[in-house]
Amino acid sequence: GQQLNQSPQSMFIQEGEDVSMNCTSSSIFNTWLWYKQDPGEGPVLLIALYKAGELTSNGRLTAQFGITRKDSFLNISASIPSDVGIYFCAGREETSGSRLTFGEGTQLTVNP
Amino acid sequence: DAGVTQSPTHLIKTRGQQVTLRCSPKSGHDTVSWYQQALGQGPQFIFQYYEEEERQRGNFPDRFSGHQFPNYSSELNVNALLLGDSALYLCASSLALIGDYGYTFGSGTRLTVV
Repeated sequence: GQQLNQSPQSMFIQEGEDVSMNCTSSSIFNTWLWYKQDPGEGPVLLIALYKAGELTSNGRLTAQFGITRKDSFLNISASIPSDVGIYFCAGREETSGSRLTFGEGTQLTVNP
Repeated sequence: DAGVTQSPTHLIKTRGQQVTLRCSPKSGHDTVSWYQQALGQGPQFIFQYYEEEERQRGNFPDRFSGHQFPNYSSELNVNALLLGDSALYLCASSLALIGDYGYTFGSGTRLTVV
């Protein structure tokens, strides 16, 4: 099945550093979502974006819905050890109803 | 407030067998979606149930079937298991009527086919 192109695949950073990851698609999306998944758990929603150009924050997390509607990015500022996990972007295409298409994930490691 | 509950948490089956996975949605949610997550990959949409009917289906063979009950809980059935069916199966619930696309996911069932 189709998946979004998510990059980078993995990141190793020091505590306190900022992090940026992004997702691109060949299709137009009308919803972008960012999830975090911890080992043995299901994905947990971090930020939801519904309009092109929208910039939304959730604490130290900021995400934007690209104006072309084919991309989105997530920034994490001042990373802390509990930010460790796998981050997934997910999108909903105009013609796909409510089904979500996921990226392949970004594995984030934060060194204290 | 209970979130999405899935059972069992882990399961080992032999090739060719059949398996049933179960999901209870978050309180107040009426729509259940199932996703397959292979190791190291993002979840892939299998299908979605609303009002006890399959509303959407992803690119999965007919060996994958499901059901939704009047209490909104759902089952995922997989027949004639293949080694490639080994994955984490995630259930996600949502409230269809308000268009909440921020699904609440369960912790998943880890299926291993040997």
